[in-house]
Amino acid sequence: GDSVTQMEGPVTLSEEAFLTINCTYTATGYPSLFWYVQYPGEGLQLLLKATKADDKGSNKGFEATYRKETTSFHLEKGSVQVSDSAVYFCALSGATNKLIFGTGTLLAVQP
Amino acid sequence: GAVVSQHPSWVICKSGTSVKIECRSLDFQATTMFWYRQFPKQSLMLMATSNEGSKATYEQGVEKDKFLINHASLTLSTLTVTSAHPEDSSFYICSVERGVYGYTFGSGTRLTVV
Repeated sequence: GDSVTQMEGPVTLSEEAFLTINCTYTATGYPSLFWYVQYPGEGLQLLLKATKADDKGSNKGFEATYRKETTSFHLEKGSVQVSDSAVYFCALSGATNKLIFGTGTLLAVQP
Repeated sequence: GAVVSQHPSWVICKSGTSVKIECRSLDFQATTMFWYRQFPKQSLMLMATSNEGSKATYEQGVEKDKFLINHASLTLSTLTVTSAHPEDSSFYICSVERGVYGYTFGSGTRLTVV
């Protein structure tokens, strides 16, 4: 079945450092790919998405490119801030329309 | 404001009792809602797909009789945890697929069974 694998955390960075959180997927067909963010004490929020190969989703300085050849959707940000500290979830939606999540990666940004 | 309202946000109940969690779609008529369970420091596990006017579709390994789902209207789905036990303590989250707006999540319900 469909699945998402993302790098384990926690990821600890200093402010203004470069961020990469790896995400790869397994799916039949052509799924849509998502990154969700969960700030402490809050619900899930959509961060960005991409619906077809080579699409780049971007929001709040975060970017991720849908790479069909490597079945990846890595999340990147050039300069992280303390306020970016949260749990980040990679997810896919395939033929069944169900949203399948990765295990989540905790990002801690230190001043 | 929130477009998916989940209530209650937290609940404590005694072992053996039942708890009902509501998920309301405030601005979208949702034929489909989803229920997830999130364990501490782990990902969201899809429990079931709630279908308006028909039976829910449960994921493998999820007990239908333990987690009763009712989707009686286009704006409301309920999850009832029956005969709750401490191992049912978890964070339960609902989601609405809002067409072109994608998936929107409720703020979750923290259930503690004592």
